[in-house]
Amino acid sequence: NAGVTQTPKFQVLKTGQSMTLQCAQDMNHNSMYWYRQDPGMGLRLIYYSASEGTTDKGEVPNGYNVSRLNKREFSLRLESAAPSQTSVYFCASRAGQGANTGELFFGEGSRLTVL
Amino acid sequence: AQSVTQLDSQVPVFEEAPVELRCNYSSSVSVYLFWYVQYPNQGLQLLLKYLSGSTLVKGINGFEAEFNKSQTSFHLRKPSVHISDTAEYFCAVISRGNAGNMLTFGGGTRLMVKP
Repeated sequence: NAGVTQTPKFQVLKTGQSMTLQCAQDMNHNSMYWYRQDPGMGLRLIYYSASEGTTDKGEVPNGYNVSRLNKREFSLRLESAAPSQTSVYFCASRAGQGANTGELFFGEGSRLTVL
Repeated sequence: AQSVTQLDSQVPVFEEAPVELRCNYSSSVSVYLFWYVQYPNQGLQLLLKYLSGSTLVKGINGFEAEFNKSQTSFHLRKPSVHISDTAEYFCAVISRGNAGNMLTFGGGTRLMVKP
């Protein structure tokens, strides 16, 4: 039972390079999320997708784009990486629709360093 | 808007001692409350949640938390910790009836259990 799978687990980029973080879930969940985790700041929501075909901005969307490719997959793209985007990125998913009762299932994270 | 404050960034404690991790929240409406745990190099997993009913909530691994509406707190407790409890703990909140998907996390508390 894989749950939420993220790739790659580690990546080093130079400023200005682009890359895509991949996320897939096998739990048939409707909602998917991308968070970034920075020391002392907890997790901050970048983008989310309430259902296949929809995406919405979260708290810190600048510099990122997302694609909900199908119900299973939700990718995060950095078009021109900046050092401020050095962080650990987490993908998460949630069953159900409507009011959010908060139980998210997380991947193991992708550690990104931008030089 | 909602926010979460975890008052301690680090809590060192000896094995078999009791521990309390503090969490205060702010919201203009009623809320659901959560504690998530992140073991080293892993994603977050749900420890316990308060949706309604009894204000004392029991979670996995012997943890419990008490919802105090008047003090807007949701402190996490364990009467006797183990080395394996060493992890980072995140308090989180979401407003009731929020059909959106914005789960707000606190900054995290690193619990360090010493032998």
